[in-house]
Amino acid sequence: DIQMTQSPSSLSACVGDRVTITCQASQDISNYLNWYQQKPGKAPKLLIYDASKLETGVPSRFSGSGSGTDFTFTISSLQPEDIATYYCQQYDNLLYSFGQGTKLEIK
Amino acid sequence: EVQLVESGGGLVKPGGSLRLSCAASGFTFSTYSMNWVRQAPGKGLEWVSSISSSSTYIYNADSVKGRFTISRDNAKNSLYLQMNSLRAEDTAVYYCARGGSYSNYWGQGTLVTVSS
Repeated sequence: DIQMTQSPSSLSACVGDRVTITCQASQDISNYLNWYQQKPGKAPKLLIYDASKLETGVPSRFSGSGSGTDFTFTISSLQPEDIATYYCQQYDNLLYSFGQGTKLEIK
Repeated sequence: EVQLVESGGGLVKPGGSLRLSCAASGFTFSTYSMNWVRQAPGKGLEWVSSISSSSTYIYNADSVKGRFTISRDNAKNSLYLQMNSLRAEDTAVYYCARGGSYSNYWGQGTLVTVSS
């Protein structure tokens, strides 16, 4: 099974800050890496798929990069509505696993 | 508009069974793999089970192997999760999600509580 190690587990930043979250896979997953945003009481929302592709309708301040085992998710300028928990997810032929999540708060 | 609507959650005693359903609409259900993902209270997301479009391939997380069975009825645009031998640690919100290499559609979730 592929394990995903996501860091940090929590993050406090100011509005306008650049925020970065990392995710490391236990083996090469090519670019099969997705990023989701989840707000309390809501289902996850896809933001980035295939490591770097922006889902339709998602603001361009969100971006992703990486391939192989190391991936990065970035919010270029943090907005109040970005307060949420963010998860990375890998895909390997109908087998999936998630990172532990990063809870993002406003400082 | 794509919609996924889960149902069937509720309170069940340890060792009991429950069957979740997910009604899909707004897309060609029979051409997509489908997933169940759960989230225990205050915890992260956990992939549970996946099924290919024609039910040929089925995969389960180790935590539910031998107890949970995923299935689908393409004629009814429905996904199911039969959960047997339920444990307290199975308490969670269960989401169905459209499959593939990423899930851009999710249901609202249904709460399963395992408690005596």
